[in-house]
Amino acid sequence: QVQLVQSGAEVKKPGASVKVSCKASGYTFTSYDINWVRQATGQGLEWMGWMDPNNGNTGYSQKFQGRLAMTRDTSASTASMELSSVTSEDTAVYFCARGNFLGATTLDSWGQGTLVIVSS
Amino acid sequence: SYELAQPPSVSVSPGQTATITCSGDKLGDKSAAWYQQRPGRSPVLVIYQDTTRPSGIPERFSGSNSGNTATLTISGTQALDEADYYCQVWDSGTVVFGGGTKLTVL
Repeated sequence: QVQLVQSGAEVKKPGASVKVSCKASGYTFTSYDINWVRQATGQGLEWMGWMDPNNGNTGYSQKFQGRLAMTRDTSASTASMELSSVTSEDTAVYFCARGNFLGATTLDSWGQGTLVIVSS
Repeated sequence: SYELAQPPSVSVSPGQTATITCSGDKLGDKSAAWYQQRPGRSPVLVIYQDTTRPSGIPERFSGSNSGNTATLTISGTQALDEADYYCQVWDSGTVVFGGGTKLTVL
């Protein structure tokens, strides 16, 4: 079965960078995009961007342009998301999700989420 | 940028039908998906391509999409359906989520 397993919680100081990984199993890693979505406490889902693991192509939400980078290690079936210059506004649970074209890009499997806390 | 609007909350009695709407400009021209998120859990896809249920999703979940409104309907609502529900579309190279609707079963 499709599984996305994310790295553990992170605590960062303002201005630092945070990197979250997402290991895929149960399917061909390079055949589906990986999307990243975050959710602040008590808030809704916020899409950050996508990456095609086959070629490394990416598409980022304009909100995160310039401080978001998505990478992959195809040998390890692992995607990563790095957010730089973090502030308290970046405190949230970060999810990776598999993008599947079902009429349009649909997020059909999700990781368990990674809590990122930004605090001085 | 494209926007989707959902009511913040919907209440339903057990066994009754819950209806959650999602509004956007010419939304019926797009393919809508719906996600269920129980407290402390990851979202789960419950409807895609407007009306299709993924494997394992109960038949009581159904969807429609026409004009400016997509609708998620839960028939015979159960206590375990209490959750947040989000609609989603793909627009101009981006994933767009609605603000979410908290479904209360009481």
